[in-house]
Amino acid sequence: QKEVEQNSGPLSVPEGAIASLNCTYSDRVSQSFFWYRQYSGKSPELIMSIYSNGDKEDGRFTAQLNKASQYVSLLIRDSQPSDSATYLCAVITNAGKSTFGDGTTLTVKP
Amino acid sequence: DAGVTQSPTHLIKTRGQHVTLRCSPISGHKSVSWYQQVLGQGPQFIFQYYEKEERGRGNFPDRFSARQFPNYSSELNVNALLLGDSALYLCASSLASGRNEQFFGPGTRLTVL
Repeated sequence: QKEVEQNSGPLSVPEGAIASLNCTYSDRVSQSFFWYRQYSGKSPELIMSIYSNGDKEDGRFTAQLNKASQYVSLLIRDSQPSDSATYLCAVITNAGKSTFGDGTTLTVKP
Repeated sequence: DAGVTQSPTHLIKTRGQHVTLRCSPISGHKSVSWYQQVLGQGPQFIFQYYEKEERGRGNFPDRFSARQFPNYSSELNVNALLLGDSALYLCASSLASGRNEQFFGPGTRLTVL
């Protein structure tokens, strides 16, 4: 079992729809959770960080964390073609160990 | 403010050679982490340095080494290159070690022939 798991996709949504990206992790002592966006041929770009259970909203993005279920998600509202990219979930433990999932590829169709 | 910078952007080496990759963190950031990313996979953690000390090491062979300098810049060294070392090498900077947000540089694309 991978330490951080994401559906590889591809996930395809129409423009204006809500895209839902999911991530599960296995290490219960994980404390910090991040979502990155990576365009093809580019490096990852930080979108959201979340540390506590519940929801965190930033513009069209909402991150949701449930530590009991070891689950973190990212919702993208009013999806745009420019949101088409690979989304990476990252988890950091208290010891500073950083683990990334393999990403979910999102395609937003005009 | 300048972001994370890495050099070189691209590099071609042959098997058995040695390579040094360089990274300068965001001004004020004291921690640098190195990652290896192969196509279709997420970044794999190699090292984290904070205040010139190694704070974490991933599951990579001893051919991989790194160091951090007093100005917080960092080098990643890989000896005895293998074909499988071909990847995008990413440097990420953060304010400190631990749970801080990490910001990535543009990466160095290494090709081993």
